[in-house]
Amino acid sequence: DADVTQTPRNRITKTGKRIMLECSQTKGHDRMYWYRQDPGLGLRLIYYSFDVKDINKGEISDGYSVSRQAQAKFSLSLESAIPNQTALYFCATSDSGLAGAEQFFGPGTRLTVL
Amino acid sequence: GDSVTQMEGPVTLSEEAFLTINCTYTATGYPSLFWYVQYPGEGLQLLLKATKADDKGSNKGFEATYRKETTSFHLEKGSVQVSDSAVYFCALIPTGNQFYFGTGTSLTVIP
Repeated sequence: DADVTQTPRNRITKTGKRIMLECSQTKGHDRMYWYRQDPGLGLRLIYYSFDVKDINKGEISDGYSVSRQAQAKFSLSLESAIPNQTALYFCATSDSGLAGAEQFFGPGTRLTVL
Repeated sequence: GDSVTQMEGPVTLSEEAFLTINCTYTATGYPSLFWYVQYPGEGLQLLLKATKADDKGSNKGFEATYRKETTSFHLEKGSVQVSDSAVYFCALIPTGNQFYFGTGTSLTVIP
């Protein structure tokens, strides 16, 4: 079984709808992240969480919110989806901020907002 | 601020050709440096890393050396294969907090 899972894998929705993307991990990591990937822009950080009680905004948090329900679960919500939020969304985890600590990525959720 | 700049693609090579993808960085302190690879339809996975100056990371025939004097971490492979076709991302983590990723370089290897 995959260590970092994301649901759904694909989603098509309409402008103005509320959408939730979910991420679960079995790696036991404290740190979790949400990124979006757009062609030519690489990965941009939306939100990150270093433990259950810690939530931090990333580079592009406007229009998004998150919830850290447990150490293993980190959800991303779009309260009112708009077409420019069409992108590939990735969840990631890491064990700590020490030198060399890599991030582990989920398979991604492809979101299309019509 | 902290950032990563990598070579723009797309890059198209013939099988067995030599590959270089350039990556330079700006960071305070002593960051750790990474190369991630994204195969079609998949998430990113770590290819190699280096945590201090002059370290060489290597994996699957790929290599990159952490050059502090030139603030670079260029990815190289001596002989690419069709299976190396993917998008490659350079990344850094400056002081134990968030990662900074480059924009990605798409590589296509043709038989």
